[in-house]
Amino acid sequence: GQQLNQSPQSMFIQEGEDVSMNCTSSSIFNTWLWYKQEPGEGPVLLIALYKAGELTSNGRLTAQFGITRKDSFLNISASIPSDVGIYFCAGQLTGANSKLTFGKGITLSVRP
Amino acid sequence: GAGVSQSPRYKVTKRGQDVALRCDPISGHVSLYWYRQALGQGPEFLTYFNYEAQQDKSGLPNDRFSAERPEGSISTLTIQRTEQRDSAMYRCASSFNQRGTQYFGPGTRLLVL
Repeated sequence: GQQLNQSPQSMFIQEGEDVSMNCTSSSIFNTWLWYKQEPGEGPVLLIALYKAGELTSNGRLTAQFGITRKDSFLNISASIPSDVGIYFCAGQLTGANSKLTFGKGITLSVRP
Repeated sequence: GAGVSQSPRYKVTKRGQDVALRCDPISGHVSLYWYRQALGQGPEFLTYFNYEAQQDKSGLPNDRFSAERPEGSISTLTIQRTEQRDSAMYRCASSFNQRGTQYFGPGTRLLVL
């Protein structure tokens, strides 16, 4: 099935650094979401974006919904060790079918 | 409970056996989704329900896979005549309504030998 494009597969950063992750799609979505998954747990929603061009923050996290509606980015500022995990982007078409289409995820490692 | 629960958490079965995976959504959540997540991949949609009605089953890989939610609460995903390629993490999510945030359970890891 279709998956959104996320790369690279892994990122390694130093504690305190900022990191940016991008997600692209060949299709348009009405909603973009960013989830974080930790070992043994299911994905947890970090940020949801509902309008093209929207920029939303949640603490040290900032995400933007691309104006073409085919991409989104997530920025984490001043990273800390507990930011470690897998970050998934997901697109959603609101309306008749609310299923989520996910990217492959980016595994983030933070060196203390 | 506070979140979505799934059982069993781990299931090992022999090829050809049937398995039933259970999802208990957050109380009061109308919509329930099943996803499958292979190692190194994101979750892929299988099927979803609003109340007891199965709205979309286009993601089910073949007719060995079926799901039900007879009373609009607990759901069961059944895989008949399991094959090794069915091995994966099966995740359930629920949301208050079709537009609501999807909350994921911890998943059932299925291993078919």
